[in-house]
Amino acid sequence: AQSVTQLGSHVSVSEGALVLLRCNYSSSVPPYLFWYVQYPNQGLQLLLKYTTGATLVKGINGFEAEFKKSETSFHLTKPSAHMSDAAEYFCAVTYNNNDMRFGAGTRLTVKP
Amino acid sequence: EAQVTQNPRYLITVTGKKLTVTCSQNMNHEYMSWYRQDPGLGLRQIYYSMNVEVTDKGDVPEGYKVSRKEKRNFPLILESPSPNQTSLYFCASSLSGRFNEKLFFGSGTQLSVL
Repeated sequence: AQSVTQLGSHVSVSEGALVLLRCNYSSSVPPYLFWYVQYPNQGLQLLLKYTTGATLVKGINGFEAEFKKSETSFHLTKPSAHMSDAAEYFCAVTYNNNDMRFGAGTRLTVKP
Repeated sequence: EAQVTQNPRYLITVTGKKLTVTCSQNMNHEYMSWYRQDPGLGLRQIYYSMNVEVTDKGDVPEGYKVSRKEKRNFPLILESPSPNQTSLYFCASSLSGRFNEKLFFGSGTQLSVL
């Protein structure tokens, strides 16, 4: 069965530092990959998605992710963290219409 | 404004007392879904609906019911809530449920069953 693993339930960075949130998937067929962000007391919002084409995907708020098939990874990065990036981030994968699987989430803390 | 609206935001109830969490979307989306979010487990799908009168089980459907009588509404029903259903619930929708569509989420319902 398909699954998604997010390494690190909590990540803490200083303001201005690189953000790296890790996501690995398990599957033998091409996946469609998503990153969602959840700000406190809100629902999830789509940050970016990979379906086909260019493997480096740019999203909102300066985030980007690269699909690496050989590593079965879709890590999320941002060059310089901002206080407003503090949130919970979810990686998700799907292969067909109805079966989107979410990772357990990574809570990002940004220190001043 | 395009949105998914859930009510209530917070709900405290007792074991066995039937409750309904409402979900409504104003985007004419065909696909709607319910998730529960638990610490360390991420989001798990409870039920989904591809269109009016079409519903199907997700990963954790036990103890829940849904109905889709109108396109815009997709209520979640707990006939006899139990403490293990204490969780944060999200309703979501998308245009047609295709794999490459983004999901629009409601703001969540925090349910506590005592």
